[in-house]
Amino acid sequence: GIQVEQSPPDLILQEGANSTLRCNFSDSVNNLQWFHQNPWGQLINLFYIPSGTKQNGRLSATTVATERYSLLYISSSQTTDSGVYFCAVIGAQKLVFGQGTRLTINP
Amino acid sequence: EPEVTQTPSHQVTQMGQEVILRCVPISNHLYFYWYRQILGQKVEFLVSFYNNEISEKSEIFDDQFSVERPDGSNFTLKIRSTKLEDSAMYFCAGQRVSSTDTQYFGPGTRLTVL
Repeated sequence: GIQVEQSPPDLILQEGANSTLRCNFSDSVNNLQWFHQNPWGQLINLFYIPSGTKQNGRLSATTVATERYSLLYISSSQTTDSGVYFCAVIGAQKLVFGQGTRLTINP
Repeated sequence: EPEVTQTPSHQVTQMGQEVILRCVPISNHLYFYWYRQILGQKVEFLVSFYNNEISEKSEIFDDQFSVERPDGSNFTLKIRSTKLEDSAMYFCAGQRVSSTDTQYFGPGTRLTVL
């Protein structure tokens, strides 16, 4: 099945810094989603981005499907950005999740 | 904006007991999923459901698990005889069109088996 790898596993930054999270996947996909898991465990949809670039406020994402990777950019980080960020892809029907990147933003 | 809802938010049960986790998907969704996340680990697929039947299930989804959509709105996951290792966060998700559409997740039910 499809393999999804995220890097780095952990990232600690000061408030105001920018960050780039990476997601590599092993096969062509029909769907790629980025999620933020908040401290209460909820999975918040950030982007649906099987290809191309999207932006939403301080967050943007780019997927290069032909090279099988996606990047999530967070600019001017805030403490509320802390949490785990998951990338998930669909090959057949189900979403396959990566292990996540734990982002900690210190004040 | 419509949301997926799940109840209860937290369930504590004794080993061997049956539990039913409930989900109300977004009304125009056709494909439904259950996922679980053991504490500190990644989210794993359990089962997908379409047209009132299971379309795919993982090896985790053994005979102790079942799903149904009894009334066209609720989507339930039943665990017949819970084990300690069933302790996890369980997420319901829905999708309007298979494979190419966004999956929308509920807030999850945290199941604790003692």
